[in-house]
Formats: sequence, C-alpha cells, structure tokens
Amino acid sequence: DTGVSQDPRHKITKRGQNVTFRCDPISEHNRLYWYRQTLGQGPEFLTYFQNEAQLEKSRLLSDRFSAERPKGSFSTLEIQRTEQGDSAMYLCASSLGRPSGTYEQYFGPGTRLTVT
Amino acid sequence: AQTVTQSQPEMSVQEAETVTLSCTYDTSESDYYLFWYKQPPSRQMILVIRQEAYKQQNATENRFSVNFQKAAKSFSLKISDSQLGDAAMYFCAYLQGGSEKLVFGKGTKLTVNP
Repeated sequence: DTGVSQDPRHKITKRGQNVTFRCDPISEHNRLYWYRQTLGQGPEFLTYFQNEAQLEKSRLLSDRFSAERPKGSFSTLEIQRTEQGDSAMYLCASSLGRPSGTYEQYFGPGTRLTVT
Repeated sequence: AQTVTQSQPEMSVQEAETVTLSCTYDTSESDYYLFWYKQPPSRQMILVIRQEAYKQQNATENRFSVNFQKAAKSFSLKISDSQLGDAAMYFCAYLQGGSEKLVFGKGTKLTVNP
C-alpha cells in the first residue's frame, strides 16, 4: 500500500520564477487536498478536488496559484511569479470521501519551497 | 468561522510517563469531527486518533486516548507510557460535517525525555 507521494521534496527558486509541484494520492482515493504550512503554524487549506473537479478554493489561493487534477488521479499545484511570502511547506492529502468511505485525510511528506 | 486553539506551544514528558495535550475549538455546528495529527521532525503528518461529535464515548487507540467534552468544546489528547518516538508536533484539527476543509490549531511540540 503506497501512501501519498509528493515531488519534489524541496524546491529553491528565485523570486519571480514559476514553480510546479506534483502530488500522487492513494490510488483509490477520489478526494485530493492542498494545504500550506508556514513555520510555527498548522496547515491551512488551499483547495480540494473530487475526482477532476476543483470544488473549493481558499481566499489564500491568489491568482498566481493554480491547481489541476486532469484525470482525477495526480494533481499539480503551480505558483507563478513567486514571492518570498510563498516560502512554505506545501502539503497534499487524499481521502476516500463520504459516504462511501471515511472523512480521514492522509497526508504526503510535503514539498518545501524556498523563494530567495 | 471555526477556530481551533492549542494553548500549549511546548510540552515535555519523561519516558514512560503520561502527558495530556489540550485543544479547544469554537463552532456553532452539531455535526463535526475532531482529529489529532502527529508530525515528527522532517516527516509527514500521521493521523493519531479521531472523534465523531455524535459519539459520547471517548476514542482510544492503544496508548492514545481523548477526553472529549462537547459542551465545553474541549478535545484533549492523553498519551500514556510515553516513548521516545512520540516526540513530535501534535496538531488538533476540526472538520465540519459536509465540509472537506480541515481547520488546524497551531500545534504543540512534545519532547520526550529519556
């Protein structure tokens, strides 16, 4: 049983560059979530997908952020024109969803982004 | 909006002893779920225990148990027989029924002393 995987694990980029992160959920999970975690804080919700549909986006997700889940499997999170304030850990999670499954979300190891 | 408060930024416990981590939350909803997640240093977040608000019985998972006080909106985690591997950040999280968005507290850093 493979868990949630994320790639890359670390990314250092210069301000103004674009970056893209990938998340592969647990294979049978139809729900996929993105969270952002800054130092000393708990994770904050960014967006979630049910299959390929993006159903909710947080106000934290500015116009520079875009997420996709094209075939309802893996997902990508792109940040355009990165800013130093984007430096954070980006966490992906997945769940089987209700009512067929449970409401528990399983997290990946995260991608740590550093913007210099 | 729902909020989750963890009032203890850091806690420490001696190996084999018991420690309790506090969590309070604010909601006007009756249908919700509560979770404790563990995040070891540089490792991924792991679900420790969950509690459904409609259940009166406190959840237990091996050495981990919760004290769920619905009226007081309190959800504390008790770790018995603490082990060195329990050292981590612990996050309390809230999920409203019908929602998919977990709301986390700021976390409590637990140190286990040998």
